[in-house]
Amino acid sequence: GESVGLHLPTLSVQEGDNSIINCAYSNSASDYFIWYKQESGKGPQFIIDIRSNMDKRQGQRVTVLLNKTVKHLSLQIAATQPGDSAVYFCAEILSNTGNQFYFGTGTSLTVIP
Amino acid sequence: GAVVSQHPSWVICKSGTSVKIECRSLDFQATTMFWYRQFPKQSLMLMATSNEGSKATYEQGVEKDKFLINHASLTLSTLTVTSAHPEDSSFYICSARDPQRGGLDEQFFGPGTRLTVL
Repeated sequence: GESVGLHLPTLSVQEGDNSIINCAYSNSASDYFIWYKQESGKGPQFIIDIRSNMDKRQGQRVTVLLNKTVKHLSLQIAATQPGDSAVYFCAEILSNTGNQFYFGTGTSLTVIP
Repeated sequence: GAVVSQHPSWVICKSGTSVKIECRSLDFQATTMFWYRQFPKQSLMLMATSNEGSKATYEQGVEKDKFLINHASLTLSTLTVTSAHPEDSSFYICSARDPQRGGLDEQFFGPGTRLTVL
């Protein structure tokens, strides 16, 4: 499959600080990107998505930035809370593969109270 | 809406036995379901794409005879791990797409099934 990787495997932040999780993707033809949150022993949970024709998308406390020039994706979490502690994956979707997902390695976020 | 369930949530079995894992879309019909495998502290690895009424499409390196997939209805796909061995111990996650949403769409993930082979 395509290569989607994360720069930082682990990240620790103080409660209340902002978190930034990064992801690099390899295929410039990718159409769609999704950030998922996975808590221990559970399935991935959708956080936010962005299409390739956008540079930025905001949700509740989360913002995704897409830089197609350097094929980089980031997830920003504002005012990080203990409940945000989880593993975060970016997923790259290529339309010409029948919308199959290619997941990155994942970043483990730990929020320190 | 768009809820996916898996059963069982955890199964422990002896080496050599076969284990069936069910994936159900509870409030939508899924023509396509996906099966993933995840080892501890690793990412999800796509194993196969399950299409209702046809044969599954397996990813390279995934043994078709080892991991049998049946998508008999629009709401149910099953993964059977045949003659399971300890190295098959993993977290198996399914996902489904809701065709009613159309276009490029997210996959809705099940809660996962933990398989422990003794």
